[in-house]
Amino acid sequence: GQQVMQIPQYQHVQEGEDFTTYCNSSTTLSNIQWYKQRPGGHPVFLIQLVKSGEVKKQKRLTFQFGEAKKNSSLHITATQTTDVGTYFCAGLVPTDSWGKLQFGAGTQVVVTP
Amino acid sequence: DGGITQSPKYLFRKEGQNVTLSCEQNLNHDAMYWYRQDPGQGLRLIYYSQIVNDFQKGDIAEGYSVSREKKESFPLTVTSAQKNPTAFYLCASSMEGRGSPLHFGNGTRLTVT
Repeated sequence: GQQVMQIPQYQHVQEGEDFTTYCNSSTTLSNIQWYKQRPGGHPVFLIQLVKSGEVKKQKRLTFQFGEAKKNSSLHITATQTTDVGTYFCAGLVPTDSWGKLQFGAGTQVVVTP
Repeated sequence: DGGITQSPKYLFRKEGQNVTLSCEQNLNHDAMYWYRQDPGQGLRLIYYSQIVNDFQKGDIAEGYSVSREKKESFPLTVTSAQKNPTAFYLCASSMEGRGSPLHFGNGTRLTVT
């Protein structure tokens, strides 16, 4: 079964508001990555977190990796229409020498002007 | 500019026919991947290849086949044995394996009727 869960599945946001999407794993992850897919497009890599408790910022986006390395969050402040898309987290599960990158189902974000 | 090229963008086939999806990269990446994307299910790994002439099954390899004869190319064949082939197929590459960030192509939307 799916090891990486994302919530919420859908997020309707008023332009200018903040929102957070969460990613939870049933197992400890080696790292976590976040991707954004615009409607009709392909996933684009945003960021990778590796260390326990790590926090990284990209302009209005703040990414956090939990202390136990089992969860992560993406917080967007002052949402803009350009933030529309689906945000995926992908956790590296250390199953073997290769490791498996397990994608969450994504959070689809709709922004209302 | 370096990148990943997938062709064609849209593909239509009749049930019972095999079809091959093209993926070419000029990023000089060692690892290449094929993912399948269905609505609400995130990305699922079909096959991956760490080096030329070597590839491994992913989570949903049944009904698919690949080859990796050149570093730049990783074609995917969807065979008639794949029971539900209609989907959005994404090719990706990474500089290294083991959870390094993925660069995706634009995808091929396959419709089988």
